[in-house]
Amino acid sequence: QVQLQESGPGLVKPSQTLSLTCTVSGGSISSGSYYWSWIRQPAGKGLEWIGRIYTSGSTNYNPSLKSRVTISVDTSKNQFSLKLSSVTAADTAVYYCARQSLQLWFYDYWGQGTLVTVSS
Amino acid sequence: EIVLTQSPGTLSLSPGERATLSCRASQSVSSSYLAWYQQKPGQAPRLLIYGASSRATGIPDRFSGSGSGTDFTLTISRLEPEDFAVYYCQQYGFTFGGGTKVEIK
Repeated sequence: QVQLQESGPGLVKPSQTLSLTCTVSGGSISSGSYYWSWIRQPAGKGLEWIGRIYTSGSTNYNPSLKSRVTISVDTSKNQFSLKLSSVTAADTAVYYCARQSLQLWFYDYWGQGTLVTVSS
Repeated sequence: EIVLTQSPGTLSLSPGERATLSCRASQSVSSSYLAWYQQKPGQAPRLLIYGASSRATGIPDRFSGSGSGTDFTLTISRLEPEDFAVYYCQQYGFTFGGGTKVEIK
């Protein structure tokens, strides 16, 4: 059974960089059949796609966040990571990592989510 | 940019009733890339339907999806107590609808 687990600081100061890691277990991130994605959800609001990475390191980002987002992968640790720079209170949200089907682009496995609050 | 509009925003129904949720795209999308998710408070979304009409593994057959082009529907034939939640449609992996909350009447 594939499992994803987000980790990282729950509190980030404004203007700093948010950094999260997603650890994948029960399957190899190098399998080649999936994208590995980050999605966020502000409290009481809907879901926003942040970006995704393929095992090769190829990335796609939400145009609205592209200038501030970097997603990377560490296949040796079976992890992928998110960095979001110059954060503001508007970046406060629950951040999810998820596995995305390479063929039909649905998300079949999700992490439990981690709340990141941007505040001084 | 394709926008997904879900309606109604809130659906108030009783257990045993039929729920019909709508997802409308601002332009035609391939049904192959249309998915539905269920989210309960404090939980991650759960995949219900992919390819507009295929049920994900372990999803009960009371959940069904249909539609094509710009209009898609998620139907729950008979609501069970555990089905009261928020439902999201998603297309191409990038865009999510605003959600429909199914609440107990």
